[in-house]
Amino acid sequence: SQQGEEDPQALSIQEGENATMNCSYKTSINNLQWYRQNSGRGLVHLILIRSNEREKHSGRLRVTLDTSKKSSSLLITASRAADTASYFCATDGVETSGSRLTFGEGTQLTVNP
Amino acid sequence: DAGITQSPRHKVTETGTPVTLRCHQTENHRYMYWYRQDPGHGLRLIHYSYGVKDTDKGEVSDGYSVSRSKTEDFLLTLESATSSQTSVYFCAINIGGPSYEQYFGPGTRLTVT
Repeated sequence: SQQGEEDPQALSIQEGENATMNCSYKTSINNLQWYRQNSGRGLVHLILIRSNEREKHSGRLRVTLDTSKKSSSLLITASRAADTASYFCATDGVETSGSRLTFGEGTQLTVNP
Repeated sequence: DAGITQSPRHKVTETGTPVTLRCHQTENHRYMYWYRQDPGHGLRLIHYSYGVKDTDKGEVSDGYSVSRSKTEDFLLTLESATSSQTSVYFCAINIGGPSYEQYFGPGTRLTVT
């Protein structure tokens, strides 16, 4: 079963706007990670937030984590056409002792120039 | 790409034939993973390995077997390919150990006719 579920499934914005993607999960986690996938390519790790952290920044990326609601959000500020990709959240569940990740189905982001 | 290669990159095969996909890493990382990616399902874990000859099943392991006789190679075998195994297969490694981010290979697109 999928641990993470992203929302929305697809998002289309104009260059310069901010993009927000959400992820919900079901069980207790050690950490939550966000990945990006360009069409036809492998996934690329973007950012990891641990269960005892609430917010994390990396460049134009801002991730929040609310363990009480079992949810996370990824914010991309000042988007660029090159940000067009699919974005996946992945959870490292406590029960799996950090040995595996469970991925959501992804959000397809399109940034129009 | 963290020194991860997959071979072949594309393969078309007939139902009932055996298929082996290879994942190779250039460094001695302990954890390696095989995922499949299908529309509407995100990435799903097939098998993973935590050392030479140490492997475990993921959520969609039926119809697949794996072997790891050397640290650098992780093989995924479809003993008798079926059309439902048509997918894109990704290998990944975990550089920092469990509870750290994963690095993905470029993928293998497998079509079973």
